[in-house]
Amino acid sequence: DAGVTQSPTHLIKTRGQQVTLRCSPKSGHDTVSWYQQALGQGPQFIFQYYEEEERQRGNFPDRFSGHQFPNYSSELNVNALLLGDSALYLCASSSPVTYGYTFGSGTRLTVV
Amino acid sequence: AQRVTQPEKLLSVFKGAPVELKCNYSYSGSPELFWYVQYSRQRLQLLLRHISRESIKGFTADLNKGETSFHLKKPFAQEEDSAMYYCALINTNAGKSTFGDGTTLTVKP
Repeated sequence: DAGVTQSPTHLIKTRGQQVTLRCSPKSGHDTVSWYQQALGQGPQFIFQYYEEEERQRGNFPDRFSGHQFPNYSSELNVNALLLGDSALYLCASSSPVTYGYTFGSGTRLTVV
Repeated sequence: AQRVTQPEKLLSVFKGAPVELKCNYSYSGSPELFWYVQYSRQRLQLLLRHISRESIKGFTADLNKGETSFHLKKPFAQEEDSAMYYCALINTNAGKSTFGDGTTLTVKP
């Protein structure tokens, strides 16, 4: 079991561009949560997807959107990138029968 | 609103000494609290969950609802315990989670 896999590992984008990050959950998990982790801070909750619907959302603007596919994999899209969006983006998966989340290694996004 | 506070950014102890990493939370319902650990060059991994009342790698954590705390403790720290530790409050039913900003633990030989 590869656990949670995220792609790409690193990404450099220009301010104003759009970006899509991808996440494949751990086998047997059907719920995906996305986090933004800035340097020196803990992961900040962006949103969670379950049954292809956004179930819960943190304090992030509408520029941040997502999608979950029937195979439970998920995408995080960020439009109109700002310099402040530079961070490590983490994906975590879970299921209704598990307590706690399994995390991926993250995607390092740099906006220049 | 739910909030998690880890008051210590850095904590340094000598090998064999007791260690306590503090976590305080703010939450109106029944909290589901976790400790996650991130070793150097590794991904975040679950260390403890309060509902299990378990001991992992010698670490324990007790939920104190009166003090709204979930401190992580180990009686004898080891060098391999050096890592970043995050306290997290996860509302499993609602799907929302809040992490603290983490404490970097360094265990000196």
